[in-house]
Amino acid sequence: DAGVIQSPRHEVTEMGQEVTLRCKPISGHDYLFWYRQTMMRGLELLIYFNNNVPIDDSGMPEDRFSAKMPNASFSTLKIQPSEPRDSAVYFCASSFKPNDGYTFGSGTRLTVV
Amino acid sequence: GENVEQHPSTLSVQEGDSAVIKCTYSDSASNYFPWYKQELGKGPQLIIDIRSNVGEKKDQRIAVTLNKTAKHFSLHITETQPEDSAVYFCALADYKLSFGAGTTVTVRA
Repeated sequence: DAGVIQSPRHEVTEMGQEVTLRCKPISGHDYLFWYRQTMMRGLELLIYFNNNVPIDDSGMPEDRFSAKMPNASFSTLKIQPSEPRDSAVYFCASSFKPNDGYTFGSGTRLTVV
Repeated sequence: GENVEQHPSTLSVQEGDSAVIKCTYSDSASNYFPWYKQELGKGPQLIIDIRSNVGEKKDQRIAVTLNKTAKHFSLHITETQPEDSAVYFCALADYKLSFGAGTTVTVRA
């Protein structure tokens, strides 16, 4: 298995633009998680899905953020409009169970200028 | 999420020495306690984990201990090597993982 695949690896965008981050989880993993990592706040859980259904989105910062999982092999995290404070590394992770080891992707480094 | 305190924030050790990182947590029904290693430019990678029905677990040079009564768990790395230099995160799960702030470990050759 190729592991959790995220794209793009790097994204630089101007404030106000829409940004879409993509994730392909490990086949067979029923849980998918989106995390954001910053120096100030560390690793924060934004949202997680079970069997393609959003279960907990309490970590999503505000309405500018949205996430979807149209099928078991694909998820997106969208920011519209983007702001400089959204600059961070965004990680996708997947697992068989919530109380089990997560496999993380390599992350997307987002810079909003 | 569950609050997890991780100490120290930075740790510098001489190659061959041991490194210990400790995490404490508040009231929780958590029963799963993993540790992750993150190298520069990569995502966190699971290195060892422990469940609440076990007090200690070892895998070669790394070990984790858990004291549920005192609400703390620790990562022990013995015979440290330069490739152990990374950021280490503890985490705990009720139904989702909450991470500590991380410990930057530097192994001096």
